[in-house]
Amino acid sequence: EPEVTQTPSHQVTQMGQEVILRCVPISNHLYFYWYRQILGQKVEFLVSFYNNEISEKSEIFDDQFSVERPDGSNFTLKIRSTKLEDSAMYFCASTSAARGSYEQYFGPGTRLTVT
Amino acid sequence: GIQVEQSPPDLILQEGANSTLRCNFSDSVNNLQWFHQNPWGQLINLFYIPSGTKQNGRLSATTVATERYSLLYISSSQTTDSGVYFCAVELRSNYQLIWGAGTKLIIKP
Repeated sequence: EPEVTQTPSHQVTQMGQEVILRCVPISNHLYFYWYRQILGQKVEFLVSFYNNEISEKSEIFDDQFSVERPDGSNFTLKIRSTKLEDSAMYFCASTSAARGSYEQYFGPGTRLTVT
Repeated sequence: GIQVEQSPPDLILQEGANSTLRCNFSDSVNNLQWFHQNPWGQLINLFYIPSGTKQNGRLSATTVATERYSLLYISSSQTTDSGVYFCAVELRSNYQLIWGAGTKLIIKP
Protein backbone atom coordinates (compact mmCIF):
# COMPACT_ATOMS: atom_id res chain seq x y z
CA GLU A 1 0.00 0.00 0.00
CA PRO A 2 1.42 3.42 -0.94
CA GLU A 3 2.49 5.58 1.98
CA VAL A 4 3.93 8.98 2.78
CA THR A 5 7.57 8.83 3.81
CA GLN A 6 9.63 11.39 5.73
CA THR A 7 13.34 11.84 6.34
CA PRO A 8 15.10 12.10 8.66
CA SER A 9 13.15 10.47 11.47
CA HIS A 10 15.03 12.54 14.04
CA GLN A 11 17.08 15.71 13.55
CA VAL A 12 19.07 17.51 16.19
CA THR A 13 20.29 21.00 15.36
CA GLN A 14 21.69 24.04 17.10
CA MET A 15 19.71 27.23 17.49
CA GLY A 16 20.16 29.51 14.49
CA GLN A 17 20.93 26.71 12.03
CA GLU A 18 18.90 25.96 8.93
CA VAL A 19 17.11 22.64 8.62
CA ILE A 20 15.32 20.97 5.74
CA LEU A 21 12.74 18.31 6.43
CA ARG A 22 11.91 16.03 3.53
CA CYS A 23 8.75 14.24 2.54
CA VAL A 24 7.77 12.01 -0.34
CA PRO A 25 3.97 12.14 -0.71
CA ILE A 26 1.93 9.35 -2.25
CA SER A 27 2.67 9.45 -5.97
CA ASN A 28 -0.72 10.35 -7.47
CA HIS A 29 -1.63 12.86 -4.77
CA LEU A 30 -2.03 16.53 -5.63
CA TYR A 31 -2.37 18.32 -2.28
CA PHE A 32 0.39 18.45 0.30
CA TYR A 33 0.52 19.66 3.87
CA TRP A 34 2.86 20.23 6.81
CA TYR A 35 1.68 20.02 10.40
CA ARG A 36 3.61 20.20 13.65
CA GLN A 37 3.05 18.88 17.15
CA ILE A 38 4.90 20.30 20.13
CA LEU A 39 5.45 17.60 22.74
CA GLY A 40 2.25 16.91 24.69
CA GLN A 41 0.13 19.31 22.64
CA LYS A 42 -2.36 19.04 19.79
CA VAL A 43 -1.37 18.86 16.15
CA GLU A 44 -1.27 22.27 14.42
CA PHE A 45 -1.57 23.09 10.73
CA LEU A 46 1.37 24.92 9.14
CA VAL A 47 0.84 25.08 5.38
CA SER A 48 -0.90 23.50 2.40
CA PHE A 49 0.48 23.34 -1.12
CA TYR A 50 -1.17 22.72 -4.48
CA ASN A 51 -0.12 23.23 -8.06
CA ASN A 52 3.34 24.41 -6.99
CA GLU A 53 2.17 27.15 -4.71
CA ILE A 54 1.02 27.69 -1.15
CA SER A 55 -2.76 27.55 -0.94
CA GLU A 56 -3.15 28.22 2.77
CA LYS A 57 -0.84 28.94 5.72
CA SER A 58 -1.26 29.47 9.43
CA GLU A 59 0.06 32.23 11.67
CA ILE A 60 2.84 29.87 12.74
CA PHE A 61 4.19 29.75 9.18
CA ASP A 62 6.16 32.99 9.27
CA ASP A 63 9.08 34.19 7.15
CA GLN A 64 11.40 31.64 8.78
CA PHE A 65 9.50 28.83 7.05
CA SER A 66 9.35 27.91 3.39
CA VAL A 67 8.13 24.94 1.36
CA GLU A 68 9.17 23.60 -1.98
CA ARG A 69 8.46 20.76 -4.36
CA PRO A 70 11.83 20.70 -6.10
CA ASP A 71 11.56 17.67 -8.34
CA GLY A 72 7.99 16.41 -8.66
CA SER A 73 8.32 13.81 -5.93
CA ASN A 74 9.85 15.45 -2.85
CA PHE A 75 8.10 18.05 -0.74
CA THR A 76 10.33 19.95 1.67
CA LEU A 77 9.92 22.21 4.67
CA LYS A 78 12.80 24.58 5.39
CA ILE A 79 13.31 26.46 8.63
CA ARG A 80 15.91 29.17 8.00
CA SER A 81 17.09 29.98 11.51
CA THR A 82 15.82 27.53 14.07
CA LYS A 83 14.67 28.59 17.53
CA LEU A 84 14.27 26.51 20.66
CA GLU A 85 10.49 26.71 20.27
CA ASP A 86 10.71 25.04 16.86
CA SER A 87 11.41 21.75 18.65
CA ALA A 88 8.47 19.55 17.70
CA MET A 89 7.32 16.61 15.64
CA TYR A 90 6.71 17.65 12.04
CA PHE A 91 4.26 15.68 9.95
CA CYS A 92 3.81 15.73 6.20
CA ALA A 93 0.47 14.73 4.68
CA SER A 94 -1.03 14.37 1.23
CA THR A 95 -4.39 13.79 -0.37
CA SER A 96 -5.58 12.98 -3.86
CA ALA A 97 -9.12 14.36 -3.79
CA ALA A 98 -9.92 11.53 -6.19
CA ARG A 99 -13.51 10.27 -6.33
CA GLY A 100 -14.62 12.85 -3.79
CA SER A 101 -12.38 11.56 -1.00
CA TYR A 102 -10.34 14.17 0.83
CA GLU A 103 -8.72 11.86 3.34
CA GLN A 104 -5.30 13.12 4.37
CA TYR A 105 -2.58 10.50 4.71
CA PHE A 106 0.23 11.21 7.13
CA GLY A 107 3.89 10.33 7.17
CA PRO A 108 5.62 8.96 10.28
CA GLY A 109 6.97 12.37 11.25
CA THR A 110 10.36 14.00 11.83
CA ARG A 111 11.25 14.79 15.42
CA LEU A 112 13.18 18.08 15.41
CA THR A 113 15.20 18.95 18.49
CA VAL A 114 16.75 22.41 18.65
CA THR A 115 19.45 22.85 21.29
CA GLY B 1 -12.97 29.67 14.31
CA ILE B 2 -14.26 26.16 14.61
CA GLN B 3 -13.79 24.41 17.95
CA VAL B 4 -13.07 20.70 18.24
CA GLU B 5 -13.53 19.16 21.66
CA GLN B 6 -12.71 15.61 22.62
CA SER B 7 -13.83 13.72 25.68
CA PRO B 8 -12.78 12.25 27.96
CA PRO B 9 -9.25 13.70 28.06
CA ASP B 10 -7.93 10.58 29.78
CA LEU B 11 -9.26 7.04 29.99
CA ILE B 12 -7.78 4.08 31.85
CA LEU B 13 -9.29 0.64 31.22
CA GLN B 14 -8.54 -3.01 31.79
CA GLU B 15 -7.77 -5.21 28.83
CA GLY B 16 -10.97 -6.56 27.34
CA ALA B 17 -13.11 -3.54 28.19
CA ASN B 18 -15.05 -1.48 25.67
CA SER B 19 -14.76 2.30 25.29
CA THR B 20 -16.42 5.22 23.56
CA LEU B 21 -14.53 8.37 22.65
CA ARG B 22 -16.39 11.50 21.63
CA CYS B 23 -15.57 14.41 19.33
CA ASN B 24 -17.78 17.52 19.22
CA PHE B 25 -17.29 20.27 16.65
CA SER B 26 -18.85 23.69 16.54
CA ASP B 27 -19.54 24.15 12.81
CA SER B 28 -20.46 22.16 9.70
CA VAL B 29 -17.52 20.23 8.33
CA ASN B 30 -16.62 18.68 5.02
CA ASN B 31 -14.32 16.03 6.42
CA LEU B 32 -13.66 14.27 9.72
CA GLN B 33 -10.84 11.86 10.47
CA TRP B 34 -9.88 9.78 13.50
CA PHE B 35 -6.23 9.00 14.22
CA HIS B 36 -4.31 6.90 16.72
CA GLN B 37 -0.94 8.27 17.82
CA ASN B 38 1.21 5.39 18.95
CA PRO B 39 3.93 5.59 21.63
CA TRP B 40 6.51 6.37 18.93
CA GLY B 41 4.56 9.45 17.89
CA GLN B 42 3.30 8.14 14.56
CA LEU B 43 -0.20 9.10 13.43
CA ILE B 44 -2.18 6.13 12.21
CA ASN B 45 -5.27 6.80 10.06
CA LEU B 46 -8.26 5.04 11.61
CA PHE B 47 -11.30 6.43 9.84
CA TYR B 48 -12.23 9.00 7.23
CA ILE B 49 -15.84 9.56 8.24
CA PRO B 50 -17.55 12.86 7.34
CA SER B 51 -20.88 11.13 7.99
CA GLY B 52 -22.36 7.72 8.69
CA THR B 53 -20.88 4.65 10.31
CA LYS B 54 -17.80 2.59 9.49
CA GLN B 55 -16.27 -0.48 11.07
CA ASN B 56 -12.78 -1.91 10.93
CA GLY B 57 -12.26 -4.96 13.11
CA ARG B 58 -12.69 -4.04 16.77
CA LEU B 59 -12.99 -0.35 15.94
CA SER B 60 -15.99 1.49 14.62
CA ALA B 61 -16.93 5.13 14.21
CA THR B 62 -20.11 7.10 13.74
CA THR B 63 -20.45 10.72 12.67
CA VAL B 64 -23.75 12.55 13.01
CA ALA B 65 -22.96 15.62 10.95
CA THR B 66 -26.29 17.35 11.60
CA GLU B 67 -25.64 17.20 15.36
CA ARG B 68 -21.92 17.95 15.02
CA TYR B 69 -20.38 15.01 16.78
CA SER B 70 -18.52 11.82 16.09
CA LEU B 71 -17.96 8.74 18.24
CA LEU B 72 -15.14 6.21 18.14
CA TYR B 73 -15.88 2.79 19.64
CA ILE B 74 -13.16 0.37 20.70
CA SER B 75 -14.31 -3.09 21.70
CA SER B 76 -12.37 -5.77 23.56
CA SER B 77 -9.46 -3.40 24.21
CA GLN B 78 -5.90 -4.66 23.94
CA THR B 79 -2.75 -3.14 25.43
CA THR B 80 -1.66 -2.19 21.92
CA ASP B 81 -4.67 0.13 21.72
CA SER B 82 -2.95 2.43 24.22
CA GLY B 83 -1.99 5.86 22.94
CA VAL B 84 -3.67 9.11 22.08
CA TYR B 85 -6.72 9.24 19.83
CA PHE B 86 -7.26 12.42 17.84
CA CYS B 87 -10.24 13.70 15.96
CA ALA B 88 -9.59 16.25 13.19
CA VAL B 89 -12.05 18.15 11.00
CA GLU B 90 -11.81 20.05 7.75
CA LEU B 91 -14.12 22.92 6.90
CA ARG B 92 -13.61 22.87 3.15
CA SER B 93 -12.18 20.31 0.79
CA ASN B 94 -8.40 20.08 0.66
CA TYR B 95 -7.84 22.64 3.36
CA GLN B 96 -6.33 22.35 6.77
CA LEU B 97 -7.35 19.78 9.33
CA ILE B 98 -8.25 21.32 12.70
CA TRP B 99 -7.43 19.00 15.57
CA GLY B 100 -8.89 18.21 18.93
CA ALA B 101 -6.69 17.90 22.00
CA GLY B 102 -6.98 14.11 21.97
CA THR B 103 -8.05 11.37 24.36
CA LYS B 104 -5.19 9.56 26.08
CA LEU B 105 -6.12 5.91 26.43
CA ILE B 106 -4.24 3.52 28.69
CA ILE B 107 -5.13 -0.18 28.56
CA LYS B 108 -3.83 -2.16 31.53
CA PRO B 109 -3.10 -5.87 31.21
